[in-house]
Amino acid sequence: EDKVVQSPLSLVVHEGDTVTLNCSYEVTNFRSLLWYKQEKKAPTFLFMLTSSGIEKKSGRLSSILDKKELFSILNITATQTGDSAVYLCAVEGGTSYGKLTFGQGTILTVHP
Amino acid sequence: KAGVTQTPRYLIKTRGQQVTLSCSPISGHRSVSWYQQTPGQGLQFLFEYFSETQRNKGNFPGRFSGRQFSNSRSEMNVSTLELGDSALYLCASSYRGGNTEAFFGQGTRLTVV
Repeated sequence: EDKVVQSPLSLVVHEGDTVTLNCSYEVTNFRSLLWYKQEKKAPTFLFMLTSSGIEKKSGRLSSILDKKELFSILNITATQTGDSAVYLCAVEGGTSYGKLTFGQGTILTVHP
Repeated sequence: KAGVTQTPRYLIKTRGQQVTLSCSPISGHRSVSWYQQTPGQGLQFLFEYFSETQRNKGNFPGRFSGRQFSNSRSEMNVSTLELGDSALYLCASSYRGGNTEAFFGQGTRLTVV
């Protein structure tokens, strides 16, 4: 059974800090790993990673995948209060097309 | 380009009733997946439809069913509602449902009383 574990489960920082969120996974025939940000309702797509070692970047957010060690990290630099949210990691693999297996999420709180 | 649209946004039902939720994917997307989100279990996969065919199903009882129409819109039905079915139901659309970006709708908040 596919498994995704995120750490830490919660994190409290101050504006301007840099944070690193972790996601480790076990999946048969890995295809992709996705990061989402969830504030109130809909998870908002951040990144999709399929290849090891290639960093994806969007503004202050970046993410990288290590397919050998089976993990990914999401970095947020110069955090702002608007970054406060639940960050979700999900993987897709095996024969289960269209099925994402999610981790528990990391609750990030950024204080002014 | 319009995003993923789910209706209704909120729903209150009584135990034993049935409910139908709707999801309209992004134009051009042919895969629609459904998830149940609860505080205790997180996001759990229900099923996925691609070109009107169910390709995958999660570990939910048969009371949970779905379908997809030729325009890729999808509906999810829950019969004989139980209190434990109270949750946020999210659908995600993607171009082909594998190795492609998946985008979520705003969800339907179902409360069973």
